Amino acid sequence: DARVTQTPRHKVTEMGQEVTMRCQPILGHNTVFWYRQTMMQGLELLAYFRNRAPLDDSGMPKDRFSAEMPDATLATLKIQPSEPRDSAVYFCASGSGEGEKLFFGSGTQLSVL
Amino acid sequence: GESVGLHLPTLSVQEGDNSIINCAYSNSASDYFIWYKQESGKGPQFIIDIRSNMDKRQGQRVTVLLNKTVKHLSLQIAATQPGDSAVYFCAENPNDYKLSFGAGTTVTVRA
Repeated sequence: DARVTQTPRHKVTEMGQEVTMRCQPILGHNTVFWYRQTMMQGLELLAYFRNRAPLDDSGMPKDRFSAEMPDATLATLKIQPSEPRDSAVYFCASGSGEGEKLFFGSGTQLSVL
Repeated sequence: GESVGLHLPTLSVQEGDNSIINCAYSNSASDYFIWYKQESGKGPQFIIDIRSNMDKRQGQRVTVLLNKTVKHLSLQIAATQPGDSAVYFCAENPNDYKLSFGAGTTVTVRA
């Protein structure tokens, strides 16, 4: 059963520490998205990759967030330094093409103290 | 139904009844729409989708209706079950890669 895998599921860290979240998209999918979910803002798009190339990261705070796809099986989202306002659930999603449905991972619940 | 802002609409349904969840979308250029279900502690799960050249699509116990004239989307769940309790999101795709999500509707099924 193909699925998007995210690690870690939960992360508690202190303000100022680096956080790295990882995602394994569904094999064969060529689009990868990072979303952030909070009660206040709902689901916000942070970054979008197609064929491993970053095409849109306008939703990401550039000074502290970075997203990469070192290879087709791994996408990473890093926050350095982390701040309490970064506390949220971060979802990775992958799809088989633009204009197609996305499949979401189970998310990384991040708490920055 | 869906709304912008902090208040999440809620729907309480008796088990066995039919549920209707509404969504007003914003972009008249959107040509693809999706309903997702999100259970507590999980990621959004695809339920059903519809393209703008259709006005109705049926799945297993679910039906999506699209009214492009008034930019309205609805999800109907037949014979609602306790496992249907979740937050339901509609999403629109205005002919590019970005899915824009609504705020979500919380559905609670009463036994």
